[in-house]
Amino acid sequence: DQQVKQNSPSLSVQEGRISILNCDYTNSMFDYFLWYKKYPAEGPTFLISISSIKDKNEDGRFTVFLNKSAKHLSLHIVPSQPGDSAVYFCAASFGNEKLTFGTGTRLTIIP
Amino acid sequence: GAVVSQHPSWVICKSGTSVKIECRSLDFQATTMFWYRQFPKQSLMLMATSNEGSKATYEQGVEKDKFLINHASLTLSTLTVTSAHPEDSSFYICSASPTSFNEQFFGPGTRLTVL
Repeated sequence: DQQVKQNSPSLSVQEGRISILNCDYTNSMFDYFLWYKKYPAEGPTFLISISSIKDKNEDGRFTVFLNKSAKHLSLHIVPSQPGDSAVYFCAASFGNEKLTFGTGTRLTIIP
Repeated sequence: GAVVSQHPSWVICKSGTSVKIECRSLDFQATTMFWYRQFPKQSLMLMATSNEGSKATYEQGVEKDKFLINHASLTLSTLTVTSAHPEDSSFYICSASPTSFNEQFFGPGTRLTVL
């Protein structure tokens, strides 16, 4: 039972444009969401997070939006840069319990 | 800050042997460490959670006698894959947290290949 889903396995975006990565979840108990970036053969690196009491959190070029009614969150990267090419995982947790990860989206930024 | 290392980064072993992977938090004390495995093009799956000085808590479906976890200090946890088989070949990633599940810092991972 995949409680956190990233339905797009890959995404290609032109450099300088906006990258939008999507994530859906099924467990309404989740109250904390995170995005991680991962390069091949490396561990994930934390990018940005959001609590369920908010609907938006911004950090530089990265913004995460949370739509609780739709059980959907998205990560916006503006402007996209070549170094952003990586696999992005969303993750969710509730009650400060374990993280449940999505399957990842491979983002490729085209110069 | 918040650096987590893993050793080795890559290991090849013969079927039936045991392999130990170390996870260290280099600049902070980790009250909790986590072990994940990732198959190609799949999600990170939590295997177990360990707290220093106590037994690890294993996720459903993870054999605790096969994947031995020791969290001997606040900066070191080890995962031993015993009697490894080819199906154990995977990418193993540890993470460490100084505070809570929501604040995890990941190691670079260990690629295990069992021949």
